[in-house]
Amino acid sequence: AQSVTQLDSQVPVFEEAPVELRCNYSSSVSVYLFWYVQYPNQGLQLLLKYLSGSTLVKGINGFEAEFNKSQTSFHLRKPSVHISDTAEYFCAVLGGSYIPTFGRGTSLIVHP
Amino acid sequence: EPEVTQTPSHQVTQMGQEVILRCVPISNHLYFYWYRQILGQKVEFLVSFYNNEISEKSEIFDDQFSVERPDGSNFTLKIRSTKLEDSAMYFCASTFLAGGPSSYNEQFFGPGTRLTVL
Repeated sequence: AQSVTQLDSQVPVFEEAPVELRCNYSSSVSVYLFWYVQYPNQGLQLLLKYLSGSTLVKGINGFEAEFNKSQTSFHLRKPSVHISDTAEYFCAVLGGSYIPTFGRGTSLIVHP
Repeated sequence: EPEVTQTPSHQVTQMGQEVILRCVPISNHLYFYWYRQILGQKVEFLVSFYNNEISEKSEIFDDQFSVERPDGSNFTLKIRSTKLEDSAMYFCASTFLAGGPSSYNEQFFGPGTRLTVL
């Protein structure tokens, strides 16, 4: 079985500051990890994914994530956030049936 | 850019009533999904649908739930007799193929329908 834990329900940060959104996972099968973003009144959009290869994955809008097998983590980072990054962020792990298991989400709030 | 749409954006209903949530997947997609998110909790998989039949469902998807593709464009989720605990955001998603990770096809999500059961 797979599970995802997003410890932070809300992360407030000032504009142009760096941010890290934490994600820890457990999986009994090979690990495939994703971050989705949901902007207000929109659907979930794929931000980045780790399937294999380099453990540092770059996504859209300047975000990146690092797969750490020993820590069972896949934290999302951005060196300098913008107001427009305010959104809900979901970490997910792909299950044996290729259906993602999601975390509960982290609300990133960027203040001017 | 094609997108998944869902209607209504917000549905309020009385306990025991039937509701139908509607989704229009991206036109050339073949696999369809419903997820739900109870406020403050995880996004949970409900059901996947392919070739006019359910391909997989979770334990949440009991006899109160049903899905249908009544025509070539709509994909619906029906809850026969709503309970208070059905209050949640319901997301529809679609993908062209449902392959393994080496050919992982991104699921495209709709904006969701917020269901409130009173």
